[in-house]
Amino acid sequence: GQNIDQPTEMTATEGAIVQINCTYQTSGFNGLFWYQQHAGEAPTFLSYNVLDGLEEKGRFSSFLSRSKGYSYLLLKELQMKDSASYLCVLMDSNYQLIWGAGTKLIIKP
Amino acid sequence: GAVVSQHPSRVICKSGTSVKIECRSLDFQATTMFWYRQFPKQSLMLMATSNEGSKATYEQGVEKDKFLINHASLTLSTLTVTSAHPEDSSFYICSARGLDEQETQYFGPGTRLLVL
Repeated sequence: GQNIDQPTEMTATEGAIVQINCTYQTSGFNGLFWYQQHAGEAPTFLSYNVLDGLEEKGRFSSFLSRSKGYSYLLLKELQMKDSASYLCVLMDSNYQLIWGAGTKLIIKP
Repeated sequence: GAVVSQHPSRVICKSGTSVKIECRSLDFQATTMFWYRQFPKQSLMLMATSNEGSKATYEQGVEKDKFLINHASLTLSTLTVTSAHPEDSSFYICSARGLDEQETQYFGPGTRLLVL
């Protein structure tokens, strides 16, 4: 079957760095997405990884290891506005999306 | 966690035909359902919000007569793409939420529509 695991909640300090991990099991793989979602709003696309390695985009970076079924989202220089839920989303071999439950990130001053 | 299903998972149709996509919450009552459209490597674009038993609220720029939404029960919402054209080809994703606005949205697996 298919499964995604990510922590339910994390807390970090403004200005610091936080890494949100995501592990998955799937029989087919067509990429992994990270989305940011503020309460009451639509998710915002952050990154897409289909090959192993690190993709850097400003303060946000995403890493993928297909052999380990593992990805992480790295947020640097945290700002209060980064307080949100971060969704790890897998695209399977049929191009269907499997959504993680999301990690609620709380940023403290 | 809660499960949301969509049917069909993919559909290919001819230009001018209508296509209906179903979104079901399998183990909880969804007071509110959302319909999104996604283009490759872009954010989900919210199309409309529907509350059970009332008319859907469409986002600016979304044609309500083209994208018909029905939320007839607390576990089912449907999106009908009427007179589909090739530019309607996209990935359509629904999500469902319980009563409280602060509750988690649970997303469906998406429906890939290809209009020839």
